[in-house]
Amino acid sequence: SQQGEEDPQALSIQEGENATMNCSYKTSINNLQWYRQNSGRGLVHLILIRSNEREKHSGRLRVTLDTSKKSSSLLITASRAADTASYFCATLNRDDKIIFGKGTRLHILP
Amino acid sequence: DAGITQSPRHKVTETGTPVTLRCHQTENHRYMYWYRQDPGHGLRLIHYSYGVKDTDKGEVSDGYSVSRSKTEDFLLTLESATSSQTSVYFCAISESRGLAGGREQFFGPGTRLTVL
Repeated sequence: SQQGEEDPQALSIQEGENATMNCSYKTSINNLQWYRQNSGRGLVHLILIRSNEREKHSGRLRVTLDTSKKSSSLLITASRAADTASYFCATLNRDDKIIFGKGTRLHILP
Repeated sequence: DAGITQSPRHKVTETGTPVTLRCHQTENHRYMYWYRQDPGHGLRLIHYSYGVKDTDKGEVSDGYSVSRSKTEDFLLTLESATSSQTSVYFCAISESRGLAGGREQFFGPGTRLTVL
């Protein structure tokens, strides 16, 4: 069964706006990763946050992790057309298994 | 795609026929994975390998087998393809393991398989 559940399933915003996606999970984790998938391509790793971290930044990406709520959020600031893609969270749980969520489809409107 | 190739990239086959998908890496990473991606299901792990001749089952392993005779190659075999195995298959690799180390995965371009 899927561990991570992204929310929303789909999101459309204007170029320049910020996009926020959320991921909830069910069991204890060691780390949580976010990936991007452009249409017809493989997934690309964006950022990893460990269970003892609360926030991490990488360029226009900001990831937060709340282990008490078993949730994470991915914020993309100043969105661009090239950010149009699907975004997946993946968790590495205590059994050392990586489990992907079903993804959020992000569409940046010109 | 981080030195990962998959072959073939597209395949159409008939129910009951055997199918083998190949994943080849040039990164010398220890771990290799096979996933399938279906609408509404995200990515689901089929099998993975943690070394030559060392493999283990994932979430949806029924109907699939794998082999890894060399570090660089990981084969996924559908012994007798069924229509439910129509999907996009992705290979991934990662270098490290360990609960605290984290494992970033690098993905191949995918293979689109259609079973008629």
